[in-house]
Amino acid sequence: NAGVTQTPKFRVLKTGQSMTLLCAQDMNHEYMYWYRQDPGMGLRLIHYSVGEGTTAKGEVPDGYNVSRLKKQNFLLGLESAAPSQTSVYFCASSYLAYGYTFGSGTRLTVV
Amino acid sequence: GQQLNQSPQSMFIQEGEDVSMNCTSSSIFNTWLWYKQDPGEGPVLLIALYKAGELTSNGRLTAQFGITRKDSFLNISASIPSDVGIYFCAGQPFPGAGGTSYGKLTFGQGTILTVHP
Repeated sequence: NAGVTQTPKFRVLKTGQSMTLLCAQDMNHEYMYWYRQDPGMGLRLIHYSVGEGTTAKGEVPDGYNVSRLKKQNFLLGLESAAPSQTSVYFCASSYLAYGYTFGSGTRLTVV
Repeated sequence: GQQLNQSPQSMFIQEGEDVSMNCTSSSIFNTWLWYKQDPGEGPVLLIALYKAGELTSNGRLTAQFGITRKDSFLNISASIPSDVGIYFCAGQPFPGAGGTSYGKLTFGQGTILTVHP
């Protein structure tokens, strides 16, 4: 099925470990986004990209890095995980500015 | 940054009842959108609103774009058990607002809906 695929779906990290979350879309969308979802906080934008090779900071970028080397992929990296980064992470993509398509999320626990 | 206030935070209703939720903002938006998130899944777009004052329906769902561009509401009529989930409003800034703001959505905190059979 066409859409946005996130891997992995679940992960447990120890404090200080690093990891990369992968987002892949097959809709040829220019725009891609990484959000985190925490109870009572809604969805908060971490980083986004308006095209291959471009990235920009969102609302809560600290502790995360991203790369968009290929149009279809958007990677989110945690260099040194902290318990405050325990969250559900969602990737989304969109054609121009309309109608985000979300992935099914990655549930990350940092212990 | 921009803030969206979504209310209520949660609702517990009986099957068949109507539901209403709303979002307000301190800033104006170009577009308002409403999403639903089922447990364990990502949000899915329900309704998009593009003009101030616009009233749009999608089956049992009706949403309106406030005339001031600072608010929106979503109504669900005759609720059914599969309406359970988290509903999010989202606002999209005007093109060119803040340079790279175009396309970025600001989300409300979400309304958790529980429907009792």
